[in-house]
Amino acid sequence: DTAVSQTPKYLVTQMGNDKSIKCEQNLGHDTMYWYKQDSKKFLKIMFSYNNKELIINETVPNRFSPKSPDKAHLNLHINSLELGDSAVYFCASSLRLQNTEAFFGQGTRLTVV
Amino acid sequence: GNSVTQMEGPVTLSEEAFLTINCTYTATGYPSLFWYVQYPGEGLQLLLKATKADDKGSNKGFEATYRKETTSFHLEKGSVQVSDSAVYFCALTPMDSNYQLIWGAGTKLIIKP
Repeated sequence: DTAVSQTPKYLVTQMGNDKSIKCEQNLGHDTMYWYKQDSKKFLKIMFSYNNKELIINETVPNRFSPKSPDKAHLNLHINSLELGDSAVYFCASSLRLQNTEAFFGQGTRLTVV
Repeated sequence: GNSVTQMEGPVTLSEEAFLTINCTYTATGYPSLFWYVQYPGEGLQLLLKATKADDKGSNKGFEATYRKETTSFHLEKGSVQVSDSAVYFCALTPMDSNYQLIWGAGTKLIIKP
């Protein structure tokens, strides 16, 4: 069983479209995250949720909106996609907020054309 | 503020060579320190961690020692294999308000047979 699973794995879409990426964890963790990894492998945290409550909301365009319907799910919706949104997006979870190991999904490679 | 600096890559070595990837950090208090590895096409996974000064984390032949006096957490392996080729990330969780993981820029390691 995959601990943190995100779908889809690949997403190719045109500029201006709206798309969603889904993430689910079956580890019973309290905390979930969305990260963006650019072409140079640099990781940037976008959002974190703890027990469905938004904890971290970094400087991310408001076209990006996370939604956590329950502790096991954290989805990412992106409106009006732009070329610069092309990247790999990773979902991750951790047991709790403080000082614990993060478990990552396989990533979603988003390509905006 | 909190930050992690790791050596720039790519690092290219021959099989069975000795590996060191340097990581230094800036943080208040006593952060926990981590090394994550990202194999091609995959998400990040925890390689090893240390939670207090002088702790040594180890896994799969890799080691790193938490050095408070030099604020370092260098990754070492005595004899690398082609299968170790990956991107390695040093990270910390500080003891402050939101506990988010602070990431280094990643170091790409290429092992040639």
